[in-house]
Amino acid sequence: QVQLKESGPGLVKPSETLSLTCNVSGYSINNGYCWGWVRQPPGRGLEYIGSLYFTGNTYYNSSLKSRVTISVDSSKNLLSLSLRSVAASDSAMYYCGRQQAVGVPGPFDQWGPGTLVTVSS
Amino acid sequence: DIVMTQSPDSLAASLGERATINCKSSQSLLYGSNRRNYIAWYQQKPRQPPRLLIYWASTRESGVPERFSGSGSGTDFTLTITSLQAEDVATYYCQQYLDTPNNFGQGTKLEIK
Repeated sequence: QVQLKESGPGLVKPSETLSLTCNVSGYSINNGYCWGWVRQPPGRGLEYIGSLYFTGNTYYNSSLKSRVTISVDSSKNLLSLSLRSVAASDSAMYYCGRQQAVGVPGPFDQWGPGTLVTVSS
Repeated sequence: DIVMTQSPDSLAASLGERATINCKSSQSLLYGSNRRNYIAWYQQKPRQPPRLLIYWASTRESGVPERFSGSGSGTDFTLTITSLQAEDVATYYCQQYLDTPNNFGQGTKLEIK
C-alpha cells in the first residue's frame, strides 16, 4: 500500500525559496506512475502545480512555471518541490500525490495528508 | 488552458435524495484516438486531502460506493450521488487531465438539508 507524506518548513519569508519533500513508501517512484503536487489556499479550491512522469518528463502549471521545479531523489524515494520567490499568495496547504500514468499525467489516486505553508516575514 | 466550471457552487439535499453536480470544460475532453473523456471527480472532506471517486468520466475508483456515478462526454459532465448519506457532506471537484495544467473546477459544497 503506497503512502505519501509531505514535509517542509511551515513558514517561509517573502522572496525566499519554498522547498518541500514528499516521502513515498510502499512503492518505488521509478517503477511507474506519475507524481505531482497540488496546493490549496485556506478556504479555497485546488490548484494544480505540476507533475513528474516516471519517464523523467515534467509538466508545470503555466502560471507557476517560471518559479517551480519538481524533481525526484530515487535513492531516497523522495519527490521534491521547489518554489522560488514566494509571496503571501503562495500560502497554502501543499499536497503531493500519485497520478495514474495514462500517456500524460492522469488523475491523483493517492494523496499525502498535506503540509501547511505560510509565507510571512 | 482548459477551464473547468462547476455548478452549482453549493447544494443542499435531504438524506436519501439524489444530488447532482455539473462540470463544464472550455474544450472537449474526449480524445479521439481512444474515445475516452479525460475527467476525474474528487471528494474532499474538511481537514482531509481529496479522494478520487471517478476517472475516465464514469469509472468508479476501487472502494467507492456504488451510489456515486459519473456521466457525460465532450464538454459536459455530471457527478450523481443517489440516496445521499450523512457522510457524503463534502466539497466535490472535477479535474481534467487531457492537457497541462490539469485544472480543477472551483468546487461544489454539498450539505444536508
